[in-house]
Amino acid sequence: DAKTTQPTSMDCAEGRAANLPCNHSTISGNEYVYWYRQIHSQGPQYIIHGLKNNETNEMASLIITEDRKSSTLILPHATLRDTAVYYCIVRAQTGANNLFFGTGTRLTVIP
Amino acid sequence: DAGVIQSPRHEVTEMGQEVTLRCKPISGHDYLFWYRQTMMRGLELLIYFNNNVPIDDSGMPEDRFSAKMPNASFSTLKIQPSEPRDSAVYFCASSLGFGKLFFGSGTQLSVL
Repeated sequence: DAKTTQPTSMDCAEGRAANLPCNHSTISGNEYVYWYRQIHSQGPQYIIHGLKNNETNEMASLIITEDRKSSTLILPHATLRDTAVYYCIVRAQTGANNLFFGTGTRLTVIP
Repeated sequence: DAGVIQSPRHEVTEMGQEVTLRCKPISGHDYLFWYRQTMMRGLELLIYFNNNVPIDDSGMPEDRFSAKMPNASFSTLKIQPSEPRDSAVYFCASSLGFGKLFFGSGTQLSVL
């Protein structure tokens, strides 16, 4: 699976949009971009995933650049409960079904 | 659905003792994963199963670690003998095919 690069940490004011970037310049054509988050002392939680089109669900939006070398996870109205470590992962949906987590971005939502 | 269920929630043991961690995946899921999380190494994939068969155990640290999945609703991760460096949070996750992973609440293991 392709390697991803994320900032180590970010702050966001409560109620504002949180934009979390991820670089995945070596992504292959069949690899999807996945986002998970881990709230302190809990197991990771799936947020969203996409291949090349932008995606939106009840939790977040995922914007993938046209060349697919980077993406941005958007939490439209961050709350204190969104404070967590956010992991960006690229993964194919064939072959080995393993999911490797990097170091992620620690997002702190500030009141 | 109760989600992925792990037990125990916390385990404290002494070096040299055998430790068994348990996991019940979500019913109907055909993949089961064991992860370990430490401050130093982050989240590491130890092993995963497909239809109860181990597919990739390359992440298992050494022979002291073993994992089994005797049926679709139960898996164990065993450490024998345990060492202080095994102290970590161990997560179990399951998925349906290549779908999203659902994680359990984890087992906090402390080896003294």
